[in-house]
Amino acid sequence: DSGVTQTPKHLITATGQRVTLRCSPRSGDLSVYWYQQSLDQGLQFLIQYYNGEERAKGNILERFSAQQFPDLHSELNLSSLELGDSALYFCASTRDLTDTQYFGPGTRLTVL
Amino acid sequence: GENVEQHPSTLSVQEGDSAVIKCTYSDSASNYFPWYKQELGKRPQLIIDIRSNVGEKKDQRIAVTLNKTAKHFSLHITETQPEDSAVYFCAASIGGGGADGLTFGKGTHLIIQP
Repeated sequence: DSGVTQTPKHLITATGQRVTLRCSPRSGDLSVYWYQQSLDQGLQFLIQYYNGEERAKGNILERFSAQQFPDLHSELNLSSLELGDSALYFCASTRDLTDTQYFGPGTRLTVL
Repeated sequence: GENVEQHPSTLSVQEGDSAVIKCTYSDSASNYFPWYKQELGKRPQLIIDIRSNVGEKKDQRIAVTLNKTAKHFSLHITETQPEDSAVYFCAASIGGGGADGLTFGKGTHLIIQP
């Protein structure tokens, strides 16, 4: 167990809908990262937050957004969902900017 | 941006033999190279990492080597066991691990034959 928690574990929804994925970092960690894992794209970095501020952006679609709250948990919002958004979504956290990234258990999103 | 290539995509070895997985990266500014192991449907778990000021690092049966000049790094697993069967991912980042997102290779499915 990495200490990073994610909810929900599974999410099934329809095309065009909007969902929110939640991540709670390890105690004391200030930075949260979101990754998407799919069969065709592999494991891809989406976005990073550090102490409430956006720090780095990867291959995140405009339909996706994220934020980190004062208690340091983070939410990833996915809107206008398409079949191709079906994937495993992981978050990871680190204590500072030189630390190793530890991954949560992931949320499996299925878009029907 | 950074691009990480990983080979082979599938590797089958006999139990007790060694396994080697190789990765190359494109951005010479990358300075942190972790390896993750992922079992089906589970989270990626860090097994070893190396920073650019070190050429080799070892942890029991697992070792990683880094050649900065050639921009490649490799994972070596000795005395393989059935529980080593999984998908292994290499990754690279600029900034030492937490300063940026990781760029991952496509993964290697390691199969340990009994």
